[in-house]
Amino acid sequence: DAEITQSPRHKITETGRQVTLACHQTWNHNNMFWYRQDLGHGLRLIHYSYGVQDTNKGEVSDGYSVSRSNTEDLPLTLESAASSQTSVYFCASSRISGETQYFGPGTRLLVL
Amino acid sequence: GIQVEQSPPDLILQEGANSTLRCNFSDSVNNLQWFHQNPWGQLINLFYIPSGTKQNGRLSATTVATERYSLLYISSSQTTDSGVYFCAVLASYDKVIFGPGTSLSVIP
Repeated sequence: DAEITQSPRHKITETGRQVTLACHQTWNHNNMFWYRQDLGHGLRLIHYSYGVQDTNKGEVSDGYSVSRSNTEDLPLTLESAASSQTSVYFCASSRISGETQYFGPGTRLLVL
Repeated sequence: GIQVEQSPPDLILQEGANSTLRCNFSDSVNNLQWFHQNPWGQLINLFYIPSGTKQNGRLSATTVATERYSLLYISSSQTTDSGVYFCAVLASYDKVIFGPGTSLSVIP
């Protein structure tokens, strides 16, 4: 069955380190998204992509970057991890714009 | 930007009871989804409902786009319905804006 996966599921890192969170989908969806979920803020959009080589900034993109080298993957990189980036990160994908987004299981990141 | 409100913020139900969750949004949107986040943190799509009414088992949803609200009905609630229910609106360019959620606890 087609699915969307994230790895790692849990990560502990130190302030200042570079961290990359993986997202992989097998639906051949064009669109992929990264969100973070924090108490008091709900889910907020970090970056999104409409296809290979396309990336766009979302609501809270500072300190994060993404790249889209193929249809299946959209890795999220924290260039220099900060304690404020401790959060739960969700990846999502959709076939085309305007259609439902399907979410991965999430990655819990703790920055010490 | 678009504001999304949900009510009630918290809800406790006896197993078997029915409930209605509401989502209000402040501007025209291209689409609307309802999600359930279970106690293990997993986000599950419930409905993709820009307008009209849909039903899936014990759950149904109605969106009245012209009046900027959506309702999620849960009938004969079960303990497995516990978790947080989010509505999310699709504004322009696929920007999904999530509401703050309704936390539901179903007790046996």
